[in-house]
Amino acid sequence: DTEVTQTPKHLVMGMTNKKSLKCEQHMGHRAMYWYKQKAKKPPELMFVYSYEKLSINESVPSRFSPECPNSSLLNLHLHALQPEDSALYLCASSQGADRGHIETQYFGPGTRLLVL
Amino acid sequence: AQSVTQPDIHITVSEGASLELRCNYSYGATPYLFWYVQSPGQGLQLLLKYFSGDTLVQGIKGFEAEFKRSQSSFNLRKPSVHWSDAAEYFCAVAAINMKTSYDKVIFGPGTSLSVIP
Repeated sequence: DTEVTQTPKHLVMGMTNKKSLKCEQHMGHRAMYWYKQKAKKPPELMFVYSYEKLSINESVPSRFSPECPNSSLLNLHLHALQPEDSALYLCASSQGADRGHIETQYFGPGTRLLVL
Repeated sequence: AQSVTQPDIHITVSEGASLELRCNYSYGATPYLFWYVQSPGQGLQLLLKYFSGDTLVQGIKGFEAEFKRSQSSFNLRKPSVHWSDAAEYFCAVAAINMKTSYDKVIFGPGTSLSVIP
């Protein structure tokens, strides 16, 4: 099973709202990722978690706050977003067995976010 | 720096026709290459990958890709396209960040495939 699930599928929020995106995998993977994808563009890496620790933050604004409560779950907390943050947010996971090795990332279906 | 180019922004083919999507990469060491497909409003699905070994790689849904080091290419092919293959296709190269030792996937800009019934 190579399934990564994401909820909700769609989210509409105002600029003053606080919301969270959720990602879950049960493949035993220890690395999890958040990507942002604008329309007609490739995904852009936001964050990487390895063994529940934040390993990479690609200079993402603080209005995006990731959290990894356990090895199966990854959250992205959203607060005071801007309309330009509207995008498809993709979660991915990989085995995370060893640093210094290339791994295959498996993607979830994404959450389509609209900020009004 | 690593990069991926996909020369064709959009391709239209007739159902049943053959397909080739082009991908060129720039990477100093042995590349790790992927093709992903994304249907409208969906996440990315891995079609195939090349890490080492046989340069002709078979993937899911009848796709294959050939790694050609001399041309820095990793073109995706399918002998007979189905209407359900209409989607966005992303070629990607993975590289190890020497500072962090973590791998990073660099995506190409994507090729949008339309299929005429």
